[in-house]
Amino acid sequence: NAGVTQTPKFQVLKTGQSMTLQCAQDMNHEYMSWYRQDPGMGLRLIHYSVGAGITDQGEVPNGYNVSRSTTEDFPLRLLSAAPSQTSVYFCASSYPRGTTKETQYFGPGTRLLVL
Amino acid sequence: GQQLNQSPQSMFIQEGEDVSMNCTSSSIFNTWLWYKQDPGEGPVLLIALYKAGELTSNGRLTAQFGITRKDSFLNISASIPSDVGIYFCAGLGGATNKLIFGTGTLLAVQP
Repeated sequence: NAGVTQTPKFQVLKTGQSMTLQCAQDMNHEYMSWYRQDPGMGLRLIHYSVGAGITDQGEVPNGYNVSRSTTEDFPLRLLSAAPSQTSVYFCASSYPRGTTKETQYFGPGTRLLVL
Repeated sequence: GQQLNQSPQSMFIQEGEDVSMNCTSSSIFNTWLWYKQDPGEGPVLLIALYKAGELTSNGRLTAQFGITRKDSFLNISASIPSDVGIYFCAGLGGATNKLIFGTGTLLAVQP
């Protein structure tokens, strides 16, 4: 298994540009999520999905959209990039969701710089 | 947003020393997870705890789920240089039933 994969690894955008961060997992996990990591802030939840076709907002959803058309993929879209969105973005997946044995596995991250 | 109180923020120790760090919360959690993050990498799961009072080991690492369900501890024995990194606690449950992360403990180990 490749686990959780993310592309691209690095990206530089200009303010106002849009882009999609890709995330895929091959573990047949139902639950997937996106976090951003900023210095001194730990990881903050942006959006999450409990299964194909179902998404919900996390702690910091503004400026981001998600969709979940398949179990494997959970892309994160920046609609109009702003410098405040400069961060490291991590995708995570977990199984089984909502049970006592839930854990989360993280991808390697996408480092985004918005100028 | 809600975050866990993780301490200490950083530790600078000599190789061979033992290390302790902890997380506390005002909310009750059903699951506690401990992660390590190396520079330029994503967090990697070290230990998962699912029951109050549970004590679990993974090699030189030992973690405990506090009896009150509001705290957790991670101990590293006989530290080595490759233990360097940022350690995060995470709690699942609470008011939102989402995974909440601590702010991390930076560990530096001098050979």
